[in-house]
Amino acid sequence: DTEVTQTPKHLVMGMTNKKSLKCEQHMGHRAMYWYKQKAKKPPELMFVYSYEKLSINESVPSRFSPECPNSSLLNLHLHALQPEDSALYLCASSQGHGYEQYFGPGTRLTVT
Amino acid sequence: QKEVEQNSGPLSVPEGAIASLNCTYSDRGSQSFFWYRQYSGKSPELIMFIYSNGDKEDGRFTAQLNKASQYVSLLIRDSQPSDSATYLCAVNRNYGGSQGNLIFGKGTKLSVKP
Repeated sequence: DTEVTQTPKHLVMGMTNKKSLKCEQHMGHRAMYWYKQKAKKPPELMFVYSYEKLSINESVPSRFSPECPNSSLLNLHLHALQPEDSALYLCASSQGHGYEQYFGPGTRLTVT
Repeated sequence: QKEVEQNSGPLSVPEGAIASLNCTYSDRGSQSFFWYRQYSGKSPELIMFIYSNGDKEDGRFTAQLNKASQYVSLLIRDSQPSDSATYLCAVNRNYGGSQGNLIFGKGTKLSVKP
């Protein structure tokens, strides 16, 4: 089973709201990722967790705050977002760095 | 020089033909190579990965890797209209000998005409 789940599927939020995106995998993978994808562009890496520790932050603004409560779960907390943050947010997991990554279905975020 | 380059397309092939998608990369230390298919509005789906020089076949898909030429390709045999999608090439980034994160090409849009 190579399933990564994400909730919610769609999210509309105002610039003053606080919301969270959730991701879950049950493949025993030890690396989890957050990506942002704008229309007609490839995914852009935001954060990498390896063995539940943040290993990479690709200079993401502090209005995005990741959290890894355990090896199966990954959250992305959102606060004071801008309209340009509207995008498809993708979670992925892999056995480890360098191995194939499996993506979840994504959360379509609209910031108004 | 861009790290992972793909022809953006669109690449149009008739149904039943072979579609050939190409990708070049700049980091000679890269060791893992991946092809993802992405339908419009959906997330990327892993269809092939290859780590060694040569060919790797899975059903109608064949991935080819030539590390000396820094080139990886994807062949789709007996193309179907359902194969119409954007195909993303991804290469791992090499950090001082250890394997890092994926770098994606911009993707090639494939259109299979009935």
